[in-house]
Amino acid sequence: DAGVTQSPTHLIKTRGQHVTLRCSPISGHKSVSWYQQVLGQGPQFIFQYYEKEERGRGNFPDRFSARQFPNYSSELNVNALLLGDSALYLCASTSGSPYNEQFFGPGTRLTVL
Amino acid sequence: GQQLNQSPQSMFIQEGEDVSMNCTSSSIFNTWLWYKQDPGEGPVLLIALYKAGELTSNGRLTAQFGITRKDSFLNISASIPSDVGIYFCAGQESNSGYALNFGKGTSLLVTP
Repeated sequence: DAGVTQSPTHLIKTRGQHVTLRCSPISGHKSVSWYQQVLGQGPQFIFQYYEKEERGRGNFPDRFSARQFPNYSSELNVNALLLGDSALYLCASTSGSPYNEQFFGPGTRLTVL
Repeated sequence: GQQLNQSPQSMFIQEGEDVSMNCTSSSIFNTWLWYKQDPGEGPVLLIALYKAGELTSNGRLTAQFGITRKDSFLNISASIPSDVGIYFCAGQESNSGYALNFGKGTSLLVTP
C-alpha cells in the first residue's frame, strides 16, 4: 500500500513569494495534518483537516492556510514568505477511530532565500 | 502547543548496549507516541500508547505510558547500527483534538 506522498520534495523560494505544498494521505484515511519542522527541533502542529473541514490550528500566522479536497488530499499555502519559514513541512495521515494514529510523509524541504 | 521535555539530547553508544530515553510534560496526555526520523525523511511511528501504565513492545523496543499521564519512556535493547537516528516522543492532549506535541528529540549514534 502506498504511504503518504508529498510534493514537491524540495523547493527554493525568495522572500515575499507564495508557495503551495501538496499531500495525498494513505488510502482510506480521511484526515490530514500539517507540521513544520525547523532544523534541530521536533515538528510543530500547523493544521488538521477532516472531511474537508478544519479541525484544529496551531500557533501560526494567517499567512499559513490550507484546504482539503473531496479525495482527501490537501494543500498547504504560505504567503509572503519569510526567511524563518525555511523548514521541512510534513504531512500526516490519520488512521481514524479508535486510535487516530498519525503516519507521516517524507516532507517537503522549503528554503527561503 | 505544549513543549515536551525529552532527554537525553544525544547518546553515543556501542553496538549491543541498551538505550533508555524519556519524555515529560506539564500537561496530561491521553496518548503517547514514539517516532524515529532518519535524515531527510519523515518520522516513522514506532510505538503508540493509549492507557496510563501501559507497557508495549515492538521487537527490541519497549515503551511505557507513565501512571501520571505526564511522562513516557522508550527502551531499545541490544542496539544495532541501523538504530541510528533521531527519536521523538509525541503526546496528544485530551481536549485539543488530535494535534501532536513533540519533544526536541534524542539523537542516537551507535558504533559497531
